[in-house]
Amino acid sequence: GAVVSQHPSRVICKSGTSVKIECRSLDFQATTMFWYRQFPKQSLMLMATSNEGSKATYEQGVEKDKFLINHASLTLSTLTVTSAHPEDSSFYICSANTGTGIYYEQYFGPGTRLTVT
Amino acid sequence: QKEVEQDPGPLSVPEGAIVSLNCTYSNSAFQYFMWYRQYSRKGPELLMYTYSSGNKEDGRFTAQVDKSSKYISLFIRDSQPSDSATYLCAMRDIIQGAQKLVFGQGTRLTINP
Repeated sequence: GAVVSQHPSRVICKSGTSVKIECRSLDFQATTMFWYRQFPKQSLMLMATSNEGSKATYEQGVEKDKFLINHASLTLSTLTVTSAHPEDSSFYICSANTGTGIYYEQYFGPGTRLTVT
Repeated sequence: QKEVEQDPGPLSVPEGAIVSLNCTYSNSAFQYFMWYRQYSRKGPELLMYTYSSGNKEDGRFTAQVDKSSKYISLFIRDSQPSDSATYLCAMRDIIQGAQKLVFGQGTRLTINP
């Protein structure tokens, strides 16, 4: 299957600072990438859909000014958590899609664990 | 009512047992059905992908889709301790351009040696 990487895998930051998480599709080009958030023992919550070269589409209840998404190329999307607070501590996972129609598949990165102190 | 319902478990079975994991859904427009496996503190890994109704087999894994009942299943034969993980079902509808997946809550599975 296709490979998606994330960096960093784990980050600890102080309250009020900003953190950037990178998501890369390593062996394919992805016109669309997705950002999810996952709390312990819960399912994935879609935060936003990121299309290369255009603004991200945020899900209801997700603050676009707090979670800045940039999709500058077909292999890279970044999520910046601005002015992070302890309640932003979570597991953030990106995914990227390949193919269309019945050949569509979505592959996930390994996740980034953010801890805000 | 959630669009996709999945029993969160936990489910614990002995090694070698056949495991059955299930999801029900309410949106009849769903046509694409996936099962992901997620180990603790890792990203989900695509296991099985089925389009419309029917069965699909891959090694010890079999995915079944019954669209008339809005019910999908994942069977694991000869279960191994390495199969211990959370299993997430996911679905997508047929609307042109629709790419978002709708996930179940995930079932935590433990295979005991």
